[in-house]
Amino acid sequence: GAVVSQHPSRVICKSGTSVKIECRSLDFQATTMFWYRQFPKQSLMLMATSNEGSKATYEQGVEKDKFLINHASLTLSTLTVTSAHPEDSSFYICSRPRGKNSYNEQFFGPGTRLTVL
Amino acid sequence: GQNIDQPTEMTATEGAIVQINCTYQTSGFNGLFWYQQHAGEAPTFLSYNVLDGLEEKGRFSSFLSRSKGYSYLLLKELQMKDSASYLCAPYTNTDKLIFGTGTRLQVFP
Repeated sequence: GAVVSQHPSRVICKSGTSVKIECRSLDFQATTMFWYRQFPKQSLMLMATSNEGSKATYEQGVEKDKFLINHASLTLSTLTVTSAHPEDSSFYICSRPRGKNSYNEQFFGPGTRLTVL
Repeated sequence: GQNIDQPTEMTATEGAIVQINCTYQTSGFNGLFWYQQHAGEAPTFLSYNVLDGLEEKGRFSSFLSRSKGYSYLLLKELQMKDSASYLCAPYTNTDKLIFGTGTRLQVFP
């Protein structure tokens, strides 16, 4: 069964509003989780590394004030897209490492499709 | 930084064999993942190569040459359900997975 869940699976919002996406690790306490973004017909682009109990680490070019990441517990990371605009419309996917001593195979959530009108 | 190169699109016929190549330039290389992704879905794990050589797993095999910065994914006895994107992802000592552009494979009857 699924080991990572995301909610919501789809969201449509108006330009200027904020949207929160939840990512849950269902069977493992994950100190680290990852957030990706995928535009149509493109590959996954790593946005940030979510660290439990500390600040997220953002990839170059990703605005940390626009994409707020909170990893408040070992099973939940949230991504909030603030003041969303149409160009933020994308498929957002989270993942967690397989395990502590794994070779970092990642299990991915089912993704959240965000459409900003 | 990292540079990963894959063909953008490939087509093949049901029952055939197809090879998807990936070249990469990274620092701190540990191994290489291949993931499969159907449209609108999350990626699923296919293989992970650490050592040079070919690893076979059913209809899918993956090859790695660390010295050449080269890997390929070999799909045999293609089925319609194999139509998907195939993502090459080097794993480095940064503990992050960085994906290549992905190869969209379309299988025709």
